[in-house]
Amino acid sequence: GESVGLHLPTLSVQEGDNSIINCAYSNSASDYFIWYKQESGKGPQFIIDIRSNMDKRQGQRVTVLLNKTVKHLSLQIAATQPGDSAVYFCAENMNGNNRLAFGKGNQVVVIP
Amino acid sequence: DTEVTQTPKHLVMGMTNKKSLKCEQHMGHRAMYWYKQKAKKPPELMFVYSYEKLSINESVPSRFSPECPNSSLLNLHLHALQPEDSALYLCASSPIRDGGYEQYFGPGTRLTVT
Repeated sequence: GESVGLHLPTLSVQEGDNSIINCAYSNSASDYFIWYKQESGKGPQFIIDIRSNMDKRQGQRVTVLLNKTVKHLSLQIAATQPGDSAVYFCAENMNGNNRLAFGKGNQVVVIP
Repeated sequence: DTEVTQTPKHLVMGMTNKKSLKCEQHMGHRAMYWYKQKAKKPPELMFVYSYEKLSINESVPSRFSPECPNSSLLNLHLHALQPEDSALYLCASSPIRDGGYEQYFGPGTRLTVT
């Protein structure tokens, strides 16, 4: 099947700076997208989601942007903190079929 | 209660053993999932249960046998596993509604096959 991918394997960011994690998806029929955070030894934790009828959604310190024209998804983390160090996965869902396809993951390392 | 629990946290088993992984949620979710995750890789879907019925099997070998005894419980029975089956096994649950909804993940069971 089609896959979701990330551009950068590792992102190092200074504490307090903003982080941007990118994700390219290839399935134009996908209509729901999620960002997960996975810390070492833990399961993925839901961060934020967005549906295809939106292009931006904000949460607490996080913003997800969706560009359907170029099939691109990004996660912005404001004022990155040491606790944000983790692997971040984007995931897509098509037509609510209960099947999530995960991207490859992007390691974020916050430098104190 | 927005928690998915999994037991055991760690499991070491030989290739001839039979063991089971357990998962429980009390969020009223009617979809439950098993994923396999290798180190530094994304979760890979194995099975989906919808309304306690198996709806998706991603061509998983028969040495993995899922079971959904009721709407809150999900088991994964393991038999005659191979060393390459060593991984983190994640359980997740979600509501079933139009449009797709986030899946809530448990902490996983770290499985080592010797």
